[in-house]
Amino acid sequence: DADVTQTPRNRITKTGKRIMLECSQTKGHDRMYWYRQDPGLGLRLIYYSFDVKDINKGEISDGYSVSRQAQAKFSLSLESAIPNQTALYFCATSDPGTSRTGELFFGEGSRLTVL
Amino acid sequence: GQQLNQSPQSMFIQEGEDVSMNCTSSSIFNTWLWYKQDPGEGPVLLIALYKAGELTSNGRLTAQFGITRKDSFLNISASIPSDVGIYFCAGRQTGANNLFFGTGTRLTVIP
Repeated sequence: DADVTQTPRNRITKTGKRIMLECSQTKGHDRMYWYRQDPGLGLRLIYYSFDVKDINKGEISDGYSVSRQAQAKFSLSLESAIPNQTALYFCATSDPGTSRTGELFFGEGSRLTVL
Repeated sequence: GQQLNQSPQSMFIQEGEDVSMNCTSSSIFNTWLWYKQDPGEGPVLLIALYKAGELTSNGRLTAQFGITRKDSFLNISASIPSDVGIYFCAGRQTGANNLFFGTGTRLTVIP
């Protein structure tokens, strides 16, 4: 089983709908992140959280919100989806206390299409 | 946010050939990382670099931390079909909590 699990893996929705992408991890890491991947733009940080009571905006947080329900769970919401939010979304975790690199461990991605 | 530009954007090479790609930034970074994303998967760390001029190898992969601290390079020797994927550089600045990722280089290896 994957250490970082994202659901759903694929979702097609319509403009204006509310969408939630969920992420759960079994790595025991405190830090969790949501990234968005677009062709030619790489990975851009949406939100990150360093513990259950900590939420921080990333580079492109507009139009998104997050909830850190527990150490192991971090969900991303699109309150009213629009077509330019069509992208591949990744959840990631890290534990700088045990990794000199601050290495990120990624889930398998959630592909969202907004029509 | 920080802009990390990777080149080339895509590459088509014959199996057995060597590959070179680079990542440049207008800002200084104190850590450079290289990730690979296999088709349908999330990125996975390949190599980490911690100081200017550092050269680090991981099997057929070699990466260098540029002496200006604004760039990094990745070489793959004797490419094989499983090298196919998207390669991302990522940088971290002193005191920063987050990684900034590059735009990616998509590698296709023709058997």
